[in-house]
Amino acid sequence: EPEVTQTPSHQVTQMGQEVILRCVPISNHLYFYWYRQILGQKVEFLVSFYNNEISEKSEIFDDQFSVERPDGSNFTLKIRSTKLEDSAMYFCASSPGPHWETQYFGPGTRLLVL
Amino acid sequence: DAKTTQPNSMESNEEEPVHLPCNHSTISGTDYIHWYRQLPSQGPEYVIHGLTSNVNNRMASLAIAEDRKSSTLILHRATLRDAAVYYCILADSGGYQKVTFGTGTKLQVIP
Repeated sequence: EPEVTQTPSHQVTQMGQEVILRCVPISNHLYFYWYRQILGQKVEFLVSFYNNEISEKSEIFDDQFSVERPDGSNFTLKIRSTKLEDSAMYFCASSPGPHWETQYFGPGTRLLVL
Repeated sequence: DAKTTQPNSMESNEEEPVHLPCNHSTISGTDYIHWYRQLPSQGPEYVIHGLTSNVNNRMASLAIAEDRKSSTLILHRATLRDAAVYYCILADSGGYQKVTFGTGTKLQVIP
C-alpha cells in the first residue's frame, strides 16, 4: 500500500539554524499539508499546498516557514531560523482530493532545537 | 471552524464494542465528519468519514445523527492495537482548506 514517507526521522539543530524537512507524498496525490505536534499537545495545522502554491496557512506559519515542491515527488518544509519553541513532531500529509477527503499522514520528523 | 466536543478519555474491554461519541452542534451543511486516530508515537491515521449517511468500512462504522449535530464512531471489537487518541474533525468542503484537530478521546483497551 502506498504511503507518505518523511526524512529525517529525527533532527537536532541549534537555535538560529535553518532546517529542511522532507516528505515524499503518495504519487498520484495532488494536495499536500504540513502539521506539527508539540510534545503532549494537539496536532496543529500549518499549511496546505495545491497546484504549486499555498492554499491555506495558519497563524503559526509565519515568515520563517516556507514550503516547496522542488520536483515531482518531494514536498519540503523549511524553517529559516529555528527557535526553541519550534521543537515538535512535524507531520506531512497528502490527499488525492481537497482537504475534506482522506488525508494520509507520514510518520513524522521529530525536531529538537537546542 | 465548527468545533467538536469529545470526552477526554474512555475505557473498553478487549473484544467488546466501543462507541466513541462526538458532538458538533454548530456543524454546517458543507462539513464532512472525519475520524482519525493517533497511536502512540505515530502520525494520525484515517479511520472513516461521512457527510450525512452512516458509513461502514473494514476498520469501523460511523453513525451520524439525523440532524448531524452528533456522531458516533463504532469499533465493533476493540483490540489492544486500537488503543489510541481518536479525533473527530469537521472538514468544511465550502471554505478554508484546512483541517483542525481537537484534543480527541484517549481510548484505553483493557485486556
